[in-house]
Amino acid sequence: GDSVTQMEGPVTLSEEAFLTINCTYTATGYPSLFWYVQYPGEGLQLLLKATKADDKGSNKGFEATYRKETTSFHLEKGSVQVSDSAVYFCALSGWGNKLVFGAGTILRVKS
Amino acid sequence: KAGVTQTPRYLIKTRGQQVTLSCSPISGHRSVSWYQQTPGQGLQFLFEYFSETQRNKGNFPGRFSGRQFSNSRSEMNVSTLELGDSALYLCASSLHGTMEDLYGYTFGSGTRLTVV
Repeated sequence: GDSVTQMEGPVTLSEEAFLTINCTYTATGYPSLFWYVQYPGEGLQLLLKATKADDKGSNKGFEATYRKETTSFHLEKGSVQVSDSAVYFCALSGWGNKLVFGAGTILRVKS
Repeated sequence: KAGVTQTPRYLIKTRGQQVTLSCSPISGHRSVSWYQQTPGQGLQFLFEYFSETQRNKGNFPGRFSGRQFSNSRSEMNVSTLELGDSALYLCASSLHGTMEDLYGYTFGSGTRLTVV
C-alpha cells in the first residue's frame, strides 16, 4: 500500500541554519505530495504541495521538489527561525482521496 | 470566514464508555474527513463523509463510527473505549472531497481524548 517515510527527529538547529527534512514515498500511480506543519496545540496547516513530477512547492521560505526518479519530496529552508519550531508531516494523496502521512519530524530551533 | 470547529477540545473517559466528538466544517464545505493521531501510529485516516454518506473508510474496528448531518456537521462515535483509543482526533473539511480539494483541506484543532 501507499506509505511515506520521513527522517526521525527531533531535529535541533540554531537560528539561521539550513534545514533539510527528508521524505520518501511508496505509491501506486502518481500521487500529489504535501508538507503539513503542526504547531503545539493546533491542527495541521498545509505548508506546500506539488502535484506532478519536477513540480516545486514553496511557501514562507520553505521549498520541496517532487522527484519521481528517487520517489522523494525533501523539505528545505535556507534560514530557519525560532518561530519555525513545530512538527512537520510529509503526506501523499492516497486511494479514496485520503491523505497518507509520514510519522512527523519535530523541529526545534534555538536562538 | 470561520475555520473548522471541533468540540470538545479535551475529553477524559473511562474504559468501556462511549464518546461522541463533533466537527463543524467551514461554511459551504460538504466533505468531512476524520483522522486519528497517536504517538505510536501517527496520523491515520478514519473515514470521510460527503452529503451525509460515508464514502471512504480506513482500517479501524467497527467501534469507530460516524455520521454527517444535512448541514454538513459531522460526529464520530467510539464505543466500548479502550486505552489505545487515547489520541488526538482531527477532522478536515473541503468543498467536495475530490483530489483537487486535497489542496484545500482545512483541519480543525482536534479533540484530545484520554481514556483511563
